[in-house]
Amino acid sequence: SQTIHQWPATLVQPVGSPLSLECTVEGTSNPNLYWYRQAAGRGLQLLFYSVGIGQISSEVPQNLSASRPQDRQFILSSKKLLLSDSGFYLCAWSPGHAGGSPLHFGNGTRLTVT
Amino acid sequence: SQKIEQNSEALNIQEGKTATLTCNYTNYSPAYLQWYRQDPGRGPVFLLLIRENEKEKRKERLKVTFDTTLKQSLFHITASQPADSATYLCALYNAGNNRKLIWGLGTSLAVNP
Repeated sequence: SQTIHQWPATLVQPVGSPLSLECTVEGTSNPNLYWYRQAAGRGLQLLFYSVGIGQISSEVPQNLSASRPQDRQFILSSKKLLLSDSGFYLCAWSPGHAGGSPLHFGNGTRLTVT
Repeated sequence: SQKIEQNSEALNIQEGKTATLTCNYTNYSPAYLQWYRQDPGRGPVFLLLIRENEKEKRKERLKVTFDTTLKQSLFHITASQPADSATYLCALYNAGNNRKLIWGLGTSLAVNP
């Protein structure tokens, strides 16, 4: 069966520090991968999605970036965190062959920028 | 403008009753509509998907309806249990919108014993 791992679960970082959140998927190949941010009262905001290695689409201009160095690995990064980057970050995957497929989420990372 | 709306107020019901949650949308022609459950501090979990040519879909105690004329989906939980307490999110897939999911803000459900 497929599983998705996301870490760390919680993170407290000072403003201006770098960020690296990692997500890996097991039990499937060539998945679509997603990074979402969820803020209170604002719902799920798609940040990045990827349909293959090295293929990243950015949805929202910001100081975050994403990379997909391997088929089942997706990384969210920042060189310098802002206070506004605080939030709940979720990684998700879906089968790569069909649009509209359900998303399967990790358990998220609660990021607090102080 | 395009938007998707769910009941913003929390829904409180008594155990054993049927919970009904609403998802309305405007200016979309979704090919699919999906429902997810989210517990505090956890990622959403997929529950049901219904296609535009389907009126109803069932899974155990869950039932989803999809009315493309009313532009509305209803999500029902029959014989509700306290363990059903969570936030429920709807999301629609609109093939014309760069093939991405559009998410509602969710409705909080509390089932009281």
